Parts: sequence; C-alpha cells; structure tokens
Amino acid sequence: NAGVTQTPKFRVLKTGQSMTLLCAQDMNHEYMYWYRQDPGMGLRLIHYSVGEGTTAKGEVPDGYNVSRLKKQNFLLGLESAAPSQTSVYFCASSYRGEQPQHFGDGTRLSIL
Amino acid sequence: TQLLEQSPQFLSIQEGENLTVYCNSSSVFSSLQWYRQEPGEGPVLLVTVVTGGEVKKLKRLTFQFGDARKDSSLHITAAQTGDTGLYLCAVIYAGGTSYGKLTFGQGTILTVHP
Repeated sequence: NAGVTQTPKFRVLKTGQSMTLLCAQDMNHEYMYWYRQDPGMGLRLIHYSVGEGTTAKGEVPDGYNVSRLKKQNFLLGLESAAPSQTSVYFCASSYRGEQPQHFGDGTRLSIL
Repeated sequence: TQLLEQSPQFLSIQEGENLTVYCNSSSVFSSLQWYRQEPGEGPVLLVTVVTGGEVKKLKRLTFQFGDARKDSSLHITAAQTGDTGLYLCAVIYAGGTSYGKLTFGQGTILTVHP
C-alpha cells in the first residue's frame, strides 16, 4: 500500500552540485507532478507529466528538468543547485487531470 | 494572472471553539479541493466540490462552494487538538486545459490548544 514514494527524504547539497529526486507511484496513474513548498507560498507546480514519455513546464520550471521514461516514475533533476532551490519538494500523481492528487511525503532539500 | 487567496494565514484557538477558513479567487474555477497537511507529510485530500452553492460535510468539517464559483469556505465545529495542521485550498480554473493543473492557496496554519 505504498502510494507515492519519494527518495531521498533529506539531502544537503553545495551550490553548483547536481542531483536527481526520484518519485514512484504504484497506482497506475497517468498524471504526475512535481511541486515545491516554501513558507507562506503554498505549493507551486514545477513540472508535470500527462503520461509516459511526456513532460511540460509548470509555474516555476527554471533550474529544473524532469523525465518520465516509465509510467510509474517521475524524476526531477537539478543540474546546478542554487541556494534559492532550498525547499521541500513534493511529488503527486492522479488518475486523470481532474481527479484528486495523491502526494508523497516530500524531500527536504537544503543548498548551502 | 489568477490570484487565489486563503485567509487567515494563521489561526490559534482553544479546543471546543469553532473556526472558518476562507479561499477566494479573482477568477471562476471549475472545481476546488481542500487538503490537510501534517508536519513531515504530504497533503491529504479532504473533499472536492464542483457545483456552485454546494455544501459538503465531513464529520465536524463543513465545506461550502460559493454560488459564483469564486470562493469557498471550510468551517470546523468544536475543534479538537487533532485538527491541528496546515489546511490548503486548491482550484482548477474554468476554461483551462484538462490536465488538472491545481493552483494552491498559501495555506492556513491551524493550532488547536488543549
């Protein structure tokens, strides 16, 4: 009964380093999303995917890339981390676009 | 630019009190979802409202969707310490694409004291 699983849960990076956040869902959902959550700003959409092999930009895509090579996985990459990318990152999935989204427990990322 | 405002941002009350959280938009939305988030976890869906004027109840929680489809409220009766958390409204704007792009409010941090 995993739902949406995010790895890692915590990470500290130095400015300029790169990393990939992993998201996996076992609900056979078509749609997957990456958000970042900052104090007082709710959740903001970074990138999303409406199916395997597709990706699209959200509200705050700059500095991030994504890939959806398999239906169940959605990867978020930071090529050159910046302190402004310190945040909590959430992955979510839904069966269709209008359906409620199921969220993972987040990845807490600090960039020094 | 579509603005979604949630108020109040912070709410601190005693157990047993009632409270209301508001979600207001500058544009009409087709549906609205309310989520609750606890520390260290992701948001969890409470309810989805899709019809103007709709009222839904979930135990002590009452959700209302405004007639004009530009606002919603969450009312909690006789709050309990277990209600403590971050409450988020999220909307899908009318006229947009159907991929389910949710726009989230800033959230209301509710603390219920024993």
